[in-house]
Amino acid sequence: GNSVTQMEGPVTLSEEAFLTINCTYTATGYPSLFWYVQYPGEGLQLLLKATKADDKGSNKGFEATYRKETTSFHLEKGSVQVSDSAVYFCALRTSYDKVIFGPGTSLSVIP
Amino acid sequence: SAVISQKPSRDICQRGTSLTIQCQVDSQVTMMFWYRQQPGQSLTLIATANQGSEATYESGFVIDKFPISRPNLTFSTLTVSNMSPEDSSIYLCSVALKGSSYEQYFGPGTRLTVT
Repeated sequence: GNSVTQMEGPVTLSEEAFLTINCTYTATGYPSLFWYVQYPGEGLQLLLKATKADDKGSNKGFEATYRKETTSFHLEKGSVQVSDSAVYFCALRTSYDKVIFGPGTSLSVIP
Repeated sequence: SAVISQKPSRDICQRGTSLTIQCQVDSQVTMMFWYRQQPGQSLTLIATANQGSEATYESGFVIDKFPISRPNLTFSTLTVSNMSPEDSSIYLCSVALKGSSYEQYFGPGTRLTVT
């Protein structure tokens, strides 16, 4: 079946450090891939997306590239801020219109 | 995009009782979904709310426990029936827009605590 795997957290970084959160997936067909972010006490927000192989999604300094050959969609940011502290969810959506979420990775950025 | 509101935002309920959660969207949407997020966990799809017909439930979720209504294209309700402490979770409504290239948007969630 379809599934999403993320690196385990929590991840703690100092401000301005480089961030990578690994995400790999298993899916039949050609899924669309997403990163969602959940800030403390808030709902889920779409951070970025990619709908086909080699697409790069980007938003708020975050980037992720859809790599079909490695079935990966790693999230990166060159310089994190305290305000980036949140839980990040990698997700995929197949043609059956269901979003499947990874377990989430908690990120804490310290000044 | 879509603006989604949920009511209530949070509630504390006694075991054995039921709670109905409302989801309102500011535009007509093709698909609406209900998710559950247990404490410290990821999101799990409960069901797809179908307009004018019975909801489609995921494995492990049944209509008797989580009855869902969707009377029109902008509104849906989820009821959590005969609650137990294990039902303590955040319940999220989600929508997919027609022609949105597979984007889903989420409501702010309803935080339920069962004592």
